[in-house]
Amino acid sequence: SAVISQKPSRDICQRGTSLTIQCQVDSQVTMMFWYRQQPGQSLTLIATANQGSEATYESGFVIDKFPISRPNLTFSTLTVSNMSPEDSSIYLCSVPRTGSTDTQYFGPGTRLTVL
Amino acid sequence: GNSVTQMEGPVTLSEEAFLTINCTYTATGYPSLFWYVQYPGEGLQLLLKATKADDKGSNKGFEATYRKETTSFHLEKGSVQVSDSAVYFCALGGGNTPLVFGKGTRLSVIA
Repeated sequence: SAVISQKPSRDICQRGTSLTIQCQVDSQVTMMFWYRQQPGQSLTLIATANQGSEATYESGFVIDKFPISRPNLTFSTLTVSNMSPEDSSIYLCSVPRTGSTDTQYFGPGTRLTVL
Repeated sequence: GNSVTQMEGPVTLSEEAFLTINCTYTATGYPSLFWYVQYPGEGLQLLLKATKADDKGSNKGFEATYRKETTSFHLEKGSVQVSDSAVYFCALGGGNTPLVFGKGTRLSVIA
C-alpha cells in the first residue's frame, strides 16, 4: 500500500492569510487528487493534479483560490488562499494504488481552522 | 453525472445488533463501488470494495454486494461492536477516476 503523508496535520489561521498543504507519497504516481471535507460533510473533489500539466479543477473551485503545484511524481501542494472561516475543513490528498484499476489511498488529512 | 445516495444517520445500535447502511448509486458504465470508514480522529480507510456486478466485498465482518439491477451496494454486518463506531462513506469510481462519495453515515454502537 502507498504511504501518504501530509503537512501540516492541522493549523489554525487568520482570515485573509494563505496556507500551503503538502502531500508526499512514497512511490511515483502520475495522478493525485485533492479533496475537501467540510465539518460534518462528505468529501468533495477539488482538483486532479497530474505531473507535468495544469491541475483540473471541479466546478466551484478555481485556481486563484486553490493553486496546486505538482513538481514531481511523489509530491504535490495545495494552497488555500485568502482564507475565510468557510474554508475551515479537512483537506485530503489521494492517489490511485499502483497496479490497481480502482483502489485509492488517502493521506491522513490536514485539519484547517480559519478564525 | 455519477452520484451516490446514502442513508443518513446518525445510526445508534446496541452491541451485537445487526447493521445495514443503505447505498444506491447513479452512474454511467459500471464503476467500482467502495465503502470507506473514518474512525474518530483518524483518516479515511478503505473498508471493502466490489468491482463488478454480483461481486461481494467483505472485510472485518462487513459485507456489501454490488447489485446492478437495483443499483445498490448496501453495507451489512451481523454483529456490531463498540469499536465499529465511525463514519461510513459509500463511494464509486476509483483508480484514475476521482471518487464520488455519499454524505456519510455516522454509526454509534453502545455497550
